[in-house]
Amino acid sequence: EAQVTQNPRYLITVTGKKLTVTCSQNMNHEYMSWYRQDPGLGLRQIYYSMNVEVTDKGDVPEGYKVSRKEKRNFPLILESPSPNQTSLYFCASSPRYGRPFFGPGTRLTVL
Amino acid sequence: QKEVEQDPGPLSVPEGAIVSLNCTYSNSAFQYFMWYRQYSRKGPELLMYTYSSGNKEDGRFTAQVDKSSKYISLFIRDSQPSDSATYLCAMNWKTSYDKVIFGPGTSLSVIP
Repeated sequence: EAQVTQNPRYLITVTGKKLTVTCSQNMNHEYMSWYRQDPGLGLRQIYYSMNVEVTDKGDVPEGYKVSRKEKRNFPLILESPSPNQTSLYFCASSPRYGRPFFGPGTRLTVL
Repeated sequence: QKEVEQDPGPLSVPEGAIVSLNCTYSNSAFQYFMWYRQYSRKGPELLMYTYSSGNKEDGRFTAQVDKSSKYISLFIRDSQPSDSATYLCAMNWKTSYDKVIFGPGTSLSVIP
């Protein structure tokens, strides 16, 4: 089954404790992105990757890091999480000329 | 002014009604327009995709783009309770999907 998987689905953590949210796709897509979704603001792109070892900032990259060492994986790293990073996070992948295909989401709470 | 604006609703309609969902945008360079449906606690799923101005129909769904007015619409005919969800418009200006701008979403409830 074609899918984008994210782990964990739910996470509660404390300020400053480094965390990683994993994202994996099994469709051999070139593009992968991370979004955060907040009430009234919709989906905002954090980072995106056009291919292995090629990443770029989206609209709200501050406080986040990403890496793309393998085509199928695109982890999101929060080195020192803060409460304003409490949000619903989505990973998405797409082929070069396709549309984003979203994962199920990760709900993160930073206390 | 936000790049993409969308009435957040909530919009409540009786089963069988025709639903009209709309977005306005400010960047005239946008060329590709999408509608996503998002159920509670799920990721967005692509419903419709259109290029430039005109209409596109898929079953009960019709997407309409008016580039001169910078206005896009999604019409749902014979609405069903299963259509209850948040609808997100999205757009970009490249054929590759590395940069997609989303509207904030409209919450729709279809009452049996």
